[in-house]
Amino acid sequence: AQSVTQLGSHVSVSEGALVLLRCNYSSSVPPYLFWYVQYPNQGLQLLLKYTTGATLVKGINGFEAEFKKSETSFHLTKPSAHMSDAAEYFCAVTPRGNTPLVFGKGTRLSVIA
Amino acid sequence: SQTIHQWPATLVQPVGSPLSLECTVEGTSNPNLYWYRQAAGRGLQLLFYSVGIGQISSEVPQNLSASRPQDRQFILSSKKLLLSDSGFYLCAWRGQILSGNTIYFGEGSWLTVV
Repeated sequence: AQSVTQLGSHVSVSEGALVLLRCNYSSSVPPYLFWYVQYPNQGLQLLLKYTTGATLVKGINGFEAEFKKSETSFHLTKPSAHMSDAAEYFCAVTPRGNTPLVFGKGTRLSVIA
Repeated sequence: SQTIHQWPATLVQPVGSPLSLECTVEGTSNPNLYWYRQAAGRGLQLLFYSVGIGQISSEVPQNLSASRPQDRQFILSSKKLLLSDSGFYLCAWRGQILSGNTIYFGEGSWLTVV
């Protein structure tokens, strides 16, 4: 079975600082990996995804994530945090096929001016 | 392009009352459809998913049910709501596997059971 662990339910960074949100997964087969962002009282928006090919994936709003198979990780980064990045971020995994995504519990990102 | 609509956006219901949340997808055919619930601090919990009309898989036993009367329509229901049913409900869809298994979400429905 697949599972996702997001380290840190709440991360706080200063504006302009590096953002690093951690995600580790467990999957018995090569997975598809996703990061979603959720702003208050809204649905989830896809930030980026890894399916095949290049392990460094670039997404919207300057975010990127790197798939590291040996570490079973898919950490999300952004070089310089902006106030508008404050939101909740979810990592998700699915095995290749027709099964639903499994989500982590989310990490709330706060950006301090 | 594909869009997903979910309603109502907010509702307050008394304990023991029925529930009906509706979700429709436009611009695609034969999508996989999902209902998730989000409770504070608990991430997203998959409640139901459907790969076709009349085909419903339940992930969590509870007093909720789902139906898919049409290809792009997914309904979440309850006959008698419990306080524990309060939460943020999200409908989602996924296209064919070649799209990379990406799931797209609606805007959500806030349910408060009082």
